[in-house]
Amino acid sequence: GDSVTQMEGPVTLSEEAFLTINCTYTATGYPSLFWYVQYPGEGLQLLLKATKADDKGSNKGFEATYRKETTSFHLEKGSVQVSDSAVYFCALSDGPGAAGNKLTFGGGTRVLVKP
Amino acid sequence: EAGVAQSPRYKIIEKRQSVAFWCNPISGHATLYWYQQILGQGPKLLIQFQNNGVVDDSQLPKDRFSAERLKGVDSTLKIQPAKLEDSAVYLCASSGGTGITSQHFGDGTRLSIL
Repeated sequence: GDSVTQMEGPVTLSEEAFLTINCTYTATGYPSLFWYVQYPGEGLQLLLKATKADDKGSNKGFEATYRKETTSFHLEKGSVQVSDSAVYFCALSDGPGAAGNKLTFGGGTRVLVKP
Repeated sequence: EAGVAQSPRYKIIEKRQSVAFWCNPISGHATLYWYQQILGQGPKLLIQFQNNGVVDDSQLPKDRFSAERLKGVDSTLKIQPAKLEDSAVYLCASSGGTGITSQHFGDGTRLSIL
């Protein structure tokens, strides 16, 4: 079945540092890929998405590129802020069809940015 | 637009008791999902509704979990009887439209089993 593997945390960084969170996936067909973020005490929010190979999703300074050849969707940000402290989840969807847009999530990566 | 509403936010019960969670999706969203998020793990889909019909309940422990979505709007998820391993955050999400659509999540219900 489908699965998502992401690097374990916690990841601790200083403000303005470069952030990378690795994510790889296993899926049949051509899934859509997502990054969700969960800030302390809040629900999951969509951060960015990409629906086909070589697409780049971006939002709030974060970027991720859908790499079909390496089955990866790594999240990057060039200069993190304290407000980026959160748990980040990589997820995939096999897309519309009989199962709809069911999401399969990775285990999450906690990021802590220190001033 | 109003987001996905869930209640209660927190619930503490003893094992073997029953509990119910409620979800009100974003207005007009036809698809509703219930996920279970155990501490330190990513969310896992329990059940997916399209309007008031079940699309996928393959990972729902049907001997103790049940869910319904009457009239294709609100939904309730019930656990009876609860086990210690059911301690988790229960997330509701909804999505609308066709094609690849994003899911919008509620804040979840944190369930603790004593």
